Amino acid sequence: QKEVEQDPGPLSVPEGAIVSLNCTYSNSAFQYFMWYRQYSRKGPELLMYTYSSGNKEDGRFTAQVDKSSKYISLFIRDSQPSDSATYLCAMKGTNAGKSTFGDGTTLTVKP
Amino acid sequence: KAGVTQTPRYLIKTRGQQVTLSCSPISGHRSVSWYQQTPGQGLQFLFEYFSETQRNKGNFPGRFSGRQFSNSRSEMNVSTLELGDSALYLCASSLSRDRFEAFFGQGTRLTVV
Repeated sequence: QKEVEQDPGPLSVPEGAIVSLNCTYSNSAFQYFMWYRQYSRKGPELLMYTYSSGNKEDGRFTAQVDKSSKYISLFIRDSQPSDSATYLCAMKGTNAGKSTFGDGTTLTVKP
Repeated sequence: KAGVTQTPRYLIKTRGQQVTLSCSPISGHRSVSWYQQTPGQGLQFLFEYFSETQRNKGNFPGRFSGRQFSNSRSEMNVSTLELGDSALYLCASSLSRDRFEAFFGQGTRLTVV
């Protein structure tokens, strides 16, 4: 079983929809929870990160972490065609070491 | 502020050859991590370098190696290329080892034929 499991998708929504992207994890040592957006043929771009539990909002994006359930989510409000990309969740402990990534969810927002 | 720079962007190599990829981190960043990304396996950790020393290594064969120079630039080398090595190789840099990878390069797309 993978340490990080991400809803596989693909996901296709109409413009303006609310999108929910989700990951679960098994390692209790994870403290940093990140979301990256990756456009085709590009490197991942950090969208948001959360340290420990709670919510974080940035414009149309909201990241939620529920450590008790080992579940994280990224919500996109008023989705736009420019949001069409692959979204990767990733997690890391506070000590030195690698980040562990989910496999990604590909989102298409149709005009 | 320049981002993480990877060269070359694209490479086509033949089975059995070797290849060297380069990564220049953001100025001041001392930690460099390498990842392999394939459609079937997602992002898989290759190795991490900090202060010219390999600090962490993923589960890849010894054909995959790397190094870091005193200016924090890093290279990775793959010898005796196999078809399965075709992938996007990504480099990420961060200020210190306990921070997550905030900045990725555009990647090097390696195709082995």
